[in-house]
Amino acid sequence: EAGVTQFPSHSVIEKGQTVTLRCDPISGHDNLYWYRRVMGKEIKFLLHFVKESKQDESGMPNNRFLAERTGGTYSTLKVQPAELEDSGVYFCASRGIRGQGATGANVLTFGAGSRLTVL
Amino acid sequence: QQQVKQSPQSLIVQKGGISIINCAYENTAFDYFPWYQQFPGKGPALLIAIRPDVSEKKEGRFTISFNKSAKQFSLHIMDSQPGDSATYFCAAGFNAGGTSYGKLTFGQGTILTVHP
Repeated sequence: EAGVTQFPSHSVIEKGQTVTLRCDPISGHDNLYWYRRVMGKEIKFLLHFVKESKQDESGMPNNRFLAERTGGTYSTLKVQPAELEDSGVYFCASRGIRGQGATGANVLTFGAGSRLTVL
Repeated sequence: QQQVKQSPQSLIVQKGGISIINCAYENTAFDYFPWYQQFPGKGPALLIAIRPDVSEKKEGRFTISFNKSAKQFSLHIMDSQPGDSATYFCAAGFNAGGTSYGKLTFGQGTILTVHP
């Protein structure tokens, strides 16, 4: 079973530019989460999708961040325009519902992350 | 406001020693406490988790100790090995019918180095 895939692994952009991060969850996982870790800090929740619907977006920093999950499969997180404080590692994670997949309902599986550097 | 405080930030242990990482939480509504292990270039991976109805859970060399009254929990790694060198994150969440398992509050992480 393939894991959670994130692209790109590293992106370097200048302040004011736009970046789009992509996440492909484990096939069949309805629940998809975005998290962010700013250098040396804790990993912080950004938002949660159930299929294509936003279940909880309470962690999104501001309206420069836009997350989508078209068709309930892969998800994108766009930052426009990027600011210096947006630098960090963006993690995507997925979780199945009870009975789905080999990983089970209670395991949050993370991708390797997309490192964003804003200069 | 950080709701889960983790210490130490870094830890160096000799091979065969015991590694201990501590976490304290504030929100008494948390009822799910996982530990994640992250190797360089990889994402965090679930290592072991506990619910507040038990005071200890052991899986191999890894043990979680949980103190509900003190709102603290810790990870003990017995017989630490160089391959255990990684960043460890504690976290806390809600078991609200299973729908909130994925919304976790993490600690800041502990970089563990086990010397041969």
